[in-house]
Amino acid sequence: EAQVTQNPRYLITVTGKKLTVTCSQNMNHEYMSWYRQDPGLGLRQIYYSMNVEVTDKGDVPEGYKVSRKEKRNFPLILESPSPNQTSLYFCASSLLDRQDTEAFFGQGTRLTVV
Amino acid sequence: DAKTTQPTSMDCAEGRAANLPCNHSTISGNEYVYWYRQIHSQGPQYIIHGLKNNETNEMASLIITEDRKSSTLILPHATLRDTAVYYCIVRDAGGTSYGKLTFGQGTILTVHP
Repeated sequence: EAQVTQNPRYLITVTGKKLTVTCSQNMNHEYMSWYRQDPGLGLRQIYYSMNVEVTDKGDVPEGYKVSRKEKRNFPLILESPSPNQTSLYFCASSLLDRQDTEAFFGQGTRLTVV
Repeated sequence: DAKTTQPTSMDCAEGRAANLPCNHSTISGNEYVYWYRQIHSQGPQYIIHGLKNNETNEMASLIITEDRKSSTLILPHATLRDTAVYYCIVRDAGGTSYGKLTFGQGTILTVHP
């Protein structure tokens, strides 16, 4: 079954404690990205990757890091989380060589930073 | 990005067709129209997409006007499980934004018994 898997689904952490949210896809997609969703602001892209070792900033990259060492994995790293990073996070993947292709989303990670 | 405009909310009776409109008057000739939905904070789910012609799949139909400035998503027989936020998205045609999806506020569709 084609899927994007995020872990954990729920996370409560304290300010400043480094954390990583993992994302893995099994569809051999080149393009992967992270979004955050906040009330009234919708989904906004944080970072994206067009292939292994190729990453770039999205619309709201401050406070986040990513890596793409393998094609299937695209972890989101918060080196020093702050309360304003409390949000619902989604990972997504899609093919890159076609414009008419759907994106697959993970089930989300609800992060609370206290 | 081409901007889309959708009604904030709509209601539909169960078993009836739900017709969700979207305006995208600044769409470029090679940009696709995509529809996604999000059920109660789950990950967005792909529904359908199209360029010029009308499209139909097992979930829905997409009607795009001839001038491509607007489209309508049709759920032919809405069920309670179709209650969700529906997003109309015009996908970037190329460059580094190739895979990016720009989500607006969407339409909250509520299906009533």
